[in-house]
Amino acid sequence: DAKTTQPNSMESNEEEPVHLPCNHSTISGTDYIHWYRQLPSQGPEYVIHGLTSNVNNRMASLAIAEDRKSSTLILHRATLRDAAVYYCILRDPYKLSFGAGTTVTVRA
Amino acid sequence: DAGVIQSPRHEVTEMGQEVTLRCKPISGHNSLFWYRQTMMRGLELLIYFNNNVPIDDSGMPEDRFSAKMPNASFSTLKIQPSEPRDSAVYFCASSSGLGHGTKPQHFGDGTRLSIL
Repeated sequence: DAKTTQPNSMESNEEEPVHLPCNHSTISGTDYIHWYRQLPSQGPEYVIHGLTSNVNNRMASLAIAEDRKSSTLILHRATLRDAAVYYCILRDPYKLSFGAGTTVTVRA
Repeated sequence: DAGVIQSPRHEVTEMGQEVTLRCKPISGHNSLFWYRQTMMRGLELLIYFNNNVPIDDSGMPEDRFSAKMPNASFSTLKIQPSEPRDSAVYFCASSSGLGHGTKPQHFGDGTRLSIL
């Protein structure tokens, strides 16, 4: 299985952008890049996914490097509700393989 | 819209007892997944079903664990007999299809299981 590498933790101030990096140097041409987050005491929540092009939705933006070996999840204005563990996952057709993720702390 | 519903939310039982966890997927979803989360191992996929048929149960830890999906709106994960090392949060997730790697999975709030 292709693996991802993420920083263990990141801190941000409220209402500032957060850029979460993810390295996936062994990504194959058909691997989709998915991001999920898990708020305290809740199940994981889908955030966004992409293949080659940058993607935007109401929650976040996903910037994918041209060689696809890395990507960045962008939270445009962090709120206290965005404090969570963020997982970058290379999705095979069936499975989500969760790593340790990045714990995001948002300071008021 | 109702999300994935799991019951019970919390379960505390003694070692050796049978434990049954329940899941109701989102209506119209035809894929269902059971995960387990522990501090040591993180989130692990145990088994997944497509159209009520188990597709891959390679993540099920041992024969004490079994899962069924008798119809499209209900699944159970059973542990018999339970052991303290089974203590974890168990999540159920559903999605509208397998394949293509594009369909997001929707997770329930989990069952926190404690085996004494």
